[in-house]
Amino acid sequence: GAVVSQHPSRVICKSGTSVKIECRSLDFQATTMFWYRQFPKQSLMLMATSNEGSKATYEQGVEKDKFLINHASLTLSTLTVTSAHPEDSSFYICSARGPGGGLGHRGYTFGSGTRLTVV
Amino acid sequence: GESVGLHLPTLSVQEGDNSIINCAYSNSASDYFIWYKQESGKGPQFIIDIRSNMDKRQGQRVTVLLNKTVKHLSLQIAATQPGDSAVYFCAEKGEWKTSYDKVIFGPGTSLSVIP
Repeated sequence: GAVVSQHPSRVICKSGTSVKIECRSLDFQATTMFWYRQFPKQSLMLMATSNEGSKATYEQGVEKDKFLINHASLTLSTLTVTSAHPEDSSFYICSARGPGGGLGHRGYTFGSGTRLTVV
Repeated sequence: GESVGLHLPTLSVQEGDNSIINCAYSNSASDYFIWYKQESGKGPQFIIDIRSNMDKRQGQRVTVLLNKTVKHLSLQIAATQPGDSAVYFCAEKGEWKTSYDKVIFGPGTSLSVIP
């Protein structure tokens, strides 16, 4: 089945530094990537949607200059948290969708998440 | 923004009993609904899905019911097992290639199975 590999699984960084999270589709072409953020005991909140080769579309309230998304290839998308602060500490999860509309569960494959802690 | 679900309840059930997890959605444009299971520290795991032109779909030990009139979705788990303990999210998606073509999650329900 479709597999999405997300790295790192955990990262601790100092306040003010930047952190990059990678999401790779291993056996399919991810034409669209979705990035979510999840705070403890809360739901997944969609941050942005990116199509390969295009600029990402950010959800309302998400700072595009702070959360840089790159989707330069059909198998890799990255999320960079710039100038991270403690309030950015969260669980970040990517989801990849292949071509064909994404109907059915095979169309949306989630990564295992990245636990970011900013100290 | 859009939202699915109005609560974050906790549901405790005895092992072997049936579980029913409910969800309300708000976007009439949604045409596809999914239930996910999330274990601590992991990404969401697909359980079952249903299209808006259906009102019931069954899987292995799970059934999803959709009531579009009242915008309500439910997940039924038969013979609940300890391994079913997790947080369950309903999610919705709009039509392909529209601005709603993205998976939006509800607030989730924490299911605890008592051995």
